[in-house]
Amino acid sequence: DQQVKQNSPSLSVQEGRISILNCDYTNSMFDYFLWYKKYPAEGPTFLISISSIKDKNEDGRFTVFLNKSAKHLSLHIVPSQPGDSAVYFCAASANNQGGKLIFGQGTELSVKP
Amino acid sequence: DTAVSQTPKYLVTQMGNDKSIKCEQNLGHDTMYWYKQDSKKFLKIMFSYNNKELIINETVPNRFSPKSPDKAHLNLHINSLELGDSAVYFCASSPQRRQGLANEKLFFGSGTQLSVL
Repeated sequence: DQQVKQNSPSLSVQEGRISILNCDYTNSMFDYFLWYKKYPAEGPTFLISISSIKDKNEDGRFTVFLNKSAKHLSLHIVPSQPGDSAVYFCAASANNQGGKLIFGQGTELSVKP
Repeated sequence: DTAVSQTPKYLVTQMGNDKSIKCEQNLGHDTMYWYKQDSKKFLKIMFSYNNKELIINETVPNRFSPKSPDKAHLNLHINSLELGDSAVYFCASSPQRRQGLANEKLFFGSGTQLSVL
């Protein structure tokens, strides 16, 4: 019973173009969402987050969009760079459930020069 | 000068053995975690400790026993290892969570690849 799902295991994008990574969730009590980035042989590192009271949060080349009615969020990277090649994890948490993070299974992004 | 360090990085062992994974953080955080990345790549929380006190204990077999000697360390001991325990185990830490906020920005170690033969 996976409450957070990333249905695309991989994505390949040309350098300079937009990368769009998607994430779906089932628990309507989630009120905070995060994206983590992971390089091989390293642990995930925090990238960007969004509270459920917002529908968009932007940080440089990274923007996260939240559609609560669809229980869907997405991460946009523009322009994509080869150094963005990594696995991206979506995560969600709910205050009334102890705040523990529930992760998706990740999407491997490959940005080709 | 690693913020969250865990050892060993790789661990290969036989079924039935007992093994430990160590984790240390130098960020001054109060909360530490163990996550397991299974074969389907999901990262799943196992345990969480806040200032040496157990606060999250998911439905993990009792062969797994976390130990926190102080708030900078959270070790994971596994008894009677089984084939299904093969996975990557990540330690993480976060600043003390303020009451009512679910904005846990975790800082992860680089993982321990456990292979049970």
